[in-house]
Amino acid sequence: SQKIEQNSEALNIQEGKTATLTCNYTNYSPAYLQWYRQDPGRGPVFLLLIRENEKEKRKERLKVTFDTTLKQSLFHITASQPADSATYLCALPERLDMRFGAGTRLTVKP
Amino acid sequence: DADVTQTPRNRITKTGKRIMLECSQTKGHDRMYWYRQDPGLGLRLIYYSFDVKDINKGEISDGYSVSRQAQAKFSLSLESAIPNQTALYFCATSDLDEGLAGGAETQYFGPGTRLLVL
Repeated sequence: SQKIEQNSEALNIQEGKTATLTCNYTNYSPAYLQWYRQDPGRGPVFLLLIRENEKEKRKERLKVTFDTTLKQSLFHITASQPADSATYLCALPERLDMRFGAGTRLTVKP
Repeated sequence: DADVTQTPRNRITKTGKRIMLECSQTKGHDRMYWYRQDPGLGLRLIYYSFDVKDINKGEISDGYSVSRQAQAKFSLSLESAIPNQTALYFCATSDLDEGLAGGAETQYFGPGTRLLVL
């Protein structure tokens, strides 16, 4: 089954900087990949979906890339704000369900 | 009102007890899921259901059972709770976007149930 690795458990950055989170997978390249945001004590919330034939997807201050050669997706938050502090999960479809990474906890310091 | 609700939100129980976690959704989705989340392990799928007559085991189904009472309701049972089932449990629903070849689904999660088994 697919193994999903997110670069680190925690990432600390200064407000205004760009946060870059990494999601690597090990097996076949999926038809699409998703990113979710999870706040403490709450369920994950869908942010973005990128398809295998898309190199980049943007939504406001968020940008996602998908490199099927590297088997990697990068998730960027530009002009980061303390309100962006949360855990970010990547997810891939596998057979009939979705597999989630363990997440990266982002802290944006004022 | 929230689209996906879970009850209870918190539960403390003792080893050996049977407990049920309930999930209701108003999104009209056919697909429903139960996950558990543990620190460092992320979300792991317990069971999923694609319609009322369909039940499928996920990655970690041992020790759990489910019931899909209606399109909107999907309950998770721990027949005999044990301490290593202490975790955060999430219910989710999804709908298939037929516009993407092979389909693409976005999952919508409930607020979670924090379970402690003593």
